[in-house]
Amino acid sequence: DIQMTQSPSSLSASVGDRVTITCRASQDITNSLAWYQQKPGKAPRLLIYGASRLESGVPSRFSGSRSGTDHTLTISSLQPEDFATYYCQQYYSNLFTFGPGTKVDIK
Amino acid sequence: QVQLQESGPGLVNPSETLSLTCSVSVGSIKGNYWSWIRQPPQKGLEWIGYIYYTGNANYNPSLKSRVTMSVDTSSNQFSLKLTSVTAADTAVYYCARLKDGYKNDYWGQGTLVIVSS
Repeated sequence: DIQMTQSPSSLSASVGDRVTITCRASQDITNSLAWYQQKPGKAPRLLIYGASRLESGVPSRFSGSRSGTDHTLTISSLQPEDFATYYCQQYYSNLFTFGPGTKVDIK
Repeated sequence: QVQLQESGPGLVNPSETLSLTCSVSVGSIKGNYWSWIRQPPQKGLEWIGYIYYTGNANYNPSLKSRVTMSVDTSSNQFSLKLTSVTAADTAVYYCARLKDGYKNDYWGQGTLVIVSS
């Protein structure tokens, strides 16, 4: 099975900050990675797929990139509505796995 | 846009079978993959599996022996059955559309299932 780790597990940031979250796969998953945002009591929302492709309707301050088995989600300028938990998910194999999540809260 | 709604018992006895249905509206179940994902209280997301509208399915290996998914194209619904449940199966269960077989782009609101006697 492909295992996913995320770092950090949580972070505190201010509005306007640049935020970076990393997801590492236990093997090469090419660009087969999606990022989801989840707010308390709500269903997750798809942000990025294909490692760097922005889902329709998602603000351009969100971006994704890949370097080897490391995948990064960047929020260029954190907005109040971005405080949430972020999950990566690989779909390289037909057995999907989520990362453990990164909680972004207000400093 | 696609709308999904989970339904089923909110309380299940230990050792019994959890059964949930996801109703798809404003869109056809045909031609798509459909996912089940769960989230235990205060924990992360766990992929349960997905099913194609034809009935072909893939399940999380850790749950595979207890999970069955099915599709009813006539009702535009798909379903999840999880047998021999324990307290560890207590979670919010989400259904979602798995667009192109890899991205969960539309989600239901989730339904909390508690396993307890």
